[in-house]
This record gives sequence, C-alpha cells and structure tokens, in this order.
Amino acid sequence: EVQLLESGGGLVQPGGSLRLSCVVSGFTFSDYAMNWVRQAPGKGLEWVSGISRSDGTTKYADSAKGRFTISRDNSKNMLYLQMNSLRADDTAVYYCTKKGSFDGYGWLDYWGQGTLVTVSS
Amino acid sequence: SYELTQPPSVSVSPGQTASITCSGNILGSTSASWYQQKPGQSPVVVIYQDSKRPSGIPERFSGSNSGHAATLTISGTQAMDEADYYCQAWDSSIYLFGSGTKVTVL
Repeated sequence: EVQLLESGGGLVQPGGSLRLSCVVSGFTFSDYAMNWVRQAPGKGLEWVSGISRSDGTTKYADSAKGRFTISRDNSKNMLYLQMNSLRADDTAVYYCTKKGSFDGYGWLDYWGQGTLVTVSS
Repeated sequence: SYELTQPPSVSVSPGQTASITCSGNILGSTSASWYQQKPGQSPVVVIYQDSKRPSGIPERFSGSNSGHAATLTISGTQAMDEADYYCQAWDSSIYLFGSGTKVTVL
C-alpha cells in the first residue's frame, strides 16, 4: 500500500522558516519524481515545487522561487520542503504528492493527508 | 503564463450527466488530468492523460480533450460524486491546476 505522510507544519511568524518532511512507503521512491502542492483555506490547488527522481533537477512555482527549496533523500524515502521568508499568503495545507508516471506526462497518483502551515504574528 | 479556466459550479440531478469543461491554450499541446476532492479530504485522481481511469475509479467517470478544452463527464451522477473537481495540465515538469468546479448533486 502506497503511503505518504507529511510532517513539520505549524504556526510560524512572517519572515520565519519551516521545514516540511514527507516519508513514503509502498513503492520504489527513487523511481518517481515527487512534488509539493498546496491549498490555501477555501481555495484551489496550487503546485509549489517538484524534484526529479534521481538527478535532483528541481522546479518551482514563481511564488516559491528564491524562498523554498525542495530536496529528497532516496536512501531514507524522504521528501523535504525548506520554506524561508514565509508570508501570510503561504498559509495553506501542503500536500506531498507522487508523480503517476515513471517518465513523460505528469499526473499525481498519490497524495498525502497534508500538513497545515499557518503564517501569522 | 498559461491558465486553465473552469466554471465555478455545476449542478446536476441524481442519475443525470454532469460535464465540466477546462479550457486553456496549453491543452492544445498536452493532456489533462482530473482530481476529485471531497471536504476535508486529499484530492484523488479520477482521470489522467485525457481519458484514462485509474483502477478503482467508477466507469461513470470519463474524460476527453479536444483542441484547447478538456471535459470531465460524470454519467449517472450519484450523491457521492458531490465534490470539487480540478483539472490539471503538465508541461516540462510544471503542473498547472484549474480553479476548480464545485459539483452539486441536487
């Protein structure tokens, strides 16, 4: 059974930092690209960042560039999102997601339960 | 930058057909996927690569893509299908989501 379990969310002040983690099981982690997707309260889905399965190539939404860093540890089946210079509009549930295909067209076949990040003073 | 446009809401009677359209220029060169999200739950993919259904997704869910618009169709809609639905496109490892459509089963 595929499982993705996020942790690390919480309340942080504007300008602060937070590191999200996601531990996965049930599939060969190193075979798939991984992504973070977020959802602000009452709003839609927003892709935040993605990382390739092996060479560490990373992509970021404009809203995350220069502030967030995605990384992975294939030996530990772990995905991370380091978030710096947090703003109020970063408040959201952050989902760890798995790319549905080994290569080519991207879709997200598994989602974690999400971890809530609240940026407020 | 690309955008995907969806109607904010769609209403359907039980047993009838609900259709949600997702429009955007990017759909002319890539496929669409669709996600269902019920309140308090994580999204679940119901259609990927325009028309493929993951295992466990009922046959009443179908998808198509024509030109710059993709469509999710729910045939014989059931009360359990009431949820938010999001389309998604992919290009060069970047994922683009539509704004979402709330499907209400009246």
